[in-house]
Amino acid sequence: QLQLQESGPGLVKPSETLSLTCTVSGGSISTSIYSWNWIRQPPGKGLEWIGSVYSRGSTYYNPSLKSRVTISVDTSMNQFSLDLTSVTAADTAVYYCARLGGKTGARYFDYWGQGTLVTDSS
Amino acid sequence: QSVLTQPPSASGTPGQRVTISCSGSSSNVGVNPVTWYQQLPGTAPKLLIYSNNQRPSGVPDRFSGSKSGTSASLAISGLQSEDEADYYCAAWDDSLSGYWVFGGGTKLTVL
Repeated sequence: QLQLQESGPGLVKPSETLSLTCTVSGGSISTSIYSWNWIRQPPGKGLEWIGSVYSRGSTYYNPSLKSRVTISVDTSMNQFSLDLTSVTAADTAVYYCARLGGKTGARYFDYWGQGTLVTDSS
Repeated sequence: QSVLTQPPSASGTPGQRVTISCSGSSSNVGVNPVTWYQQLPGTAPKLLIYSNNQRPSGVPDRFSGSKSGTSASLAISGLQSEDEADYYCAAWDDSLSGYWVFGGGTKLTVL
């Protein structure tokens, strides 16, 4: 059974960089048809897709966050990571990592991490 | 402000049928499949419906999805207390470079 686990600091200072890692177990991150995603949810609010990375390194980002986001993959560690720069209070959220599974024309987020709350320390 | 529009709340009594709508546009729901997720309190979202109306294995057939034009719907029949949760629709949006968009979520209360 595939499992995803987020890790990283729960507090980030304003204007600094939020860095999280997602460790994938029970399967390989190198399967090329899948993408590996970050999705966040501010307290009491809805879901927002941040971006994705494929095992070969190609990335896709939400246009509203693109200037501040970098997502990378480390296939040797079966991990992928998120860096979000210039953090403000608006970035306080539960951050989920998730796999985009399925097949062309029928894609969906089928495996999710449990989520990690990141709060700006202001 | 979410790209896809859902009603913030819905409710029903046990055994009833409830529907939740999801309204989008010609760059997302109108041209791409819709997925639905169920989020129980304090947990990660769970895939409920994909490709507009397909259920993953393990999802009861009380849950069904449909799509027409730029709108989609999730229907829950034979409502049960354990269905009380937040429900989100999602779709790929072809605008700009392309990105995933979600609805704002609908909180379902079982009365």
